[in-house]
Amino acid sequence: QVQLQESGPGLVKPSETLSLTCSVSGGSLSGYFWSWIRQPPGKGLEWIGYIYYSGSTNYNPSLKSRVTISVDTSRNQFSLKLTSVTAADTAVYYCARYGANRKWFFDLWGRGTLVTVSS
Amino acid sequence: SYVLTQPPSVSVAPGKTARITCGGNNIGSKSVHWYQQKPGQAPVLVIYYDSDRPSGIPERFSGSNSGNTATLTISGVDAGDEADYYCQVWDNSSDHVVFGGGTKLTVL
Repeated sequence: QVQLQESGPGLVKPSETLSLTCSVSGGSLSGYFWSWIRQPPGKGLEWIGYIYYSGSTNYNPSLKSRVTISVDTSRNQFSLKLTSVTAADTAVYYCARYGANRKWFFDLWGRGTLVTVSS
Repeated sequence: SYVLTQPPSVSVAPGKTARITCGGNNIGSKSVHWYQQKPGQAPVLVIYYDSDRPSGIPERFSGSNSGNTATLTISGVDAGDEADYYCQVWDNSSDHVVFGGGTKLTVL
C-alpha cells in the first residue's frame, strides 16, 4: 500500500530555511495532490499548502510569503521549504495525500517529523 | 478567511455517546471531514463528506452537518476512543483548506 515518509533536519537555526522531503512508496504521485501540514507542540493542525503532481501549488495565506512546495516525480518525492524560520515554526511536520479521486480530504499521512527551531 | 470552531474538550462516560461539534458560517453548505489523532500518532480520517466512514472505521462513528454546525457522534464510547478530534473543510471561496482547533475527548 502507499506509504509516506518525511525526512530532513530535526534542528534548524532561527532565520534559516527549513527543508523537508516526503518520499512516497508503493504508488505514484501522478493524479494526486500532495500536502504539508504542521502541528506545534500541544496545539492543533495547520495546513501549510499542497502541490498537484504536475506542479501547481496552493498555500496557506498566512505562510505564503515564506513557503515553497515542489515535486520531483522522477524520485516520487515532494518537498517543503520554509524560509526565515522562528521559534514559532517549531512543530511536527506531516506530509499527506489530498484530493484522491477529487475528494477533498487527507486520506494518507506520514508519521510526522519534529522540527525544532533553536540556536 | 473561513473559521471552524470546536469545543476544546468533551468528556463522556464509557458506553455513552459523545458528540463533538464543529461550528462555521453556513457550514451545512460545505463538506466536513473528521480526523482522530491519538498521542504521538498522525491523524486518521474517521468521517468524510459529513457522514461517510472509511473502511475499517467502526459504525459507532457517525457524522451530520446542517446549518452552522457539523457534529461527530461516537456511540458506545470506550477508552480506545480517547483522542483529539479535528474537523476540516475546503473553503471554496478562498480555495484553501481549513482545520478546526481540535477537541480533546476524555473517557471518564
